[in-house]
Amino acid sequence: DAGVTQSPTHLIKTRGQQVTLRCSPKSGHDTVSWYQQALGQGPQFIFQYYEEEERQRGNFPDRFSGHQFPNYSSELNVNALLLGDSALYLCASSLRTITSTGELFFGEGSRLTVL
Amino acid sequence: GDSVTQMEGPVTLSEEAFLTINCTYTATGYPSLFWYVQYPGEGLQLLLKATKADDKGSNKGFEATYRKETTSFHLEKGSVQVSDSAVYFCALTLLNTGTASKLTFGTGTRLQVTL
Repeated sequence: DAGVTQSPTHLIKTRGQQVTLRCSPKSGHDTVSWYQQALGQGPQFIFQYYEEEERQRGNFPDRFSGHQFPNYSSELNVNALLLGDSALYLCASSLRTITSTGELFFGEGSRLTVL
Repeated sequence: GDSVTQMEGPVTLSEEAFLTINCTYTATGYPSLFWYVQYPGEGLQLLLKATKADDKGSNKGFEATYRKETTSFHLEKGSVQVSDSAVYFCALTLLNTGTASKLTFGTGTRLQVTL
């Protein structure tokens, strides 16, 4: 049973460029959330997708956008990259109908460096 | 808004020492509380959880009790091992009916266990 998989694992971009990160959720999960983890900090919630729509959003600008596909996989897009966007981007999956635990399953992340 | 405060690390202990990592929270409503662990080179993993006041979560020798009166969820282990070396994150979520909810994380506490 594959867990949450993310790609690419590492990438380097320059300021002003755009980046797309990809995530495949754990088998059987239908909800994907994205988090940004700056060096030495805890993960910060970016947004959550299920049924191919953004359902919740954290305090991130519109440069951050996403998409969820019919197979539940997801993409995170960041436009007009800034140096401060350098971070580990984590994808987490869950099953929407779990009402009691709120437990998320995380991938290993995509480390983005903006030069 | 909701927040989690953890003791700053790094925490360095000898093997078989007693571990406490403090965590306090601020939340509107009644959160569920979690400890996640991030081993080197791996994704975040759920260590333990508690969903209501006075609940005790436990796993792999770690324990934490949900203390509503002190808004705390301190992580403890009676005898740490070298393999426990990792970064530990305290987190909370406010469950929304019918959806898997976002997590609010603390900044993490790095634990280093030596022989």
